[in-house]
Amino acid sequence: GAGVSQSPSNKVTEKGKDVELRCDPISGHTALYWYRQRLGQGLEFLIYFQGNSAPDKSGLPSDRFSAERTGESVSTLTIQRTQQEDSAVYLCASSLAVAGGGYTFGSGTRLTVV
Amino acid sequence: GIQVEQSPPDLILQEGANSTLRCNFSDSVNNLQWFHQNPWGQLINLFYIPSGTKQNGRLSATTVATERYSLLYISSSQTTDSGVYFCAVRPGNTPLVFGKGTRLSVIA
Repeated sequence: GAGVSQSPSNKVTEKGKDVELRCDPISGHTALYWYRQRLGQGLEFLIYFQGNSAPDKSGLPSDRFSAERTGESVSTLTIQRTQQEDSAVYLCASSLAVAGGGYTFGSGTRLTVV
Repeated sequence: GIQVEQSPPDLILQEGANSTLRCNFSDSVNNLQWFHQNPWGQLINLFYIPSGTKQNGRLSATTVATERYSLLYISSSQTTDSGVYFCAVRPGNTPLVFGKGTRLSVIA
């Protein structure tokens, strides 16, 4: 597509439930990134995918967080047993490659855990 | 890891004023981007500028990679320029590392 698409745009969930967030990158972009932004804070790196290489999961805050990507297309970020501290905006970006080219961000998913 | 420091953290401008935002980073980088996050949370890429100078309308940016800093200039500011400006850098083959941002408020 023309831009990075994320869904849902907003998600309210009960503490302890699992949630799945989706990111559809720009066609042809081999690199895909997930970031988290808590209210009033900067962006915190979570995970990135580059082509068929093993993903860099070094930013995932706990084993409740996982992500998958099918080839060079859609990615899903899953948070299991959500906690109130998981409330944040989850932003996805894509680029032509990790080593070069600018990032394009989606509009994000605002997750609220109640 | 690399440190990215942005200054000032907050800035209030009268409409029509000019401003300079600064980004210092602690190691060599092969990518630097400036983003504007509008009040609705959307991150807009302003410049991809690992070195040199670029201009886009009332905005321009300069990166001096050898001295590890970048500047974002906003001229004739408008209320629509309000939001948070982020500098982000990439040291080597790693994802972008973001600074904490400069929160800009332009008042009429």
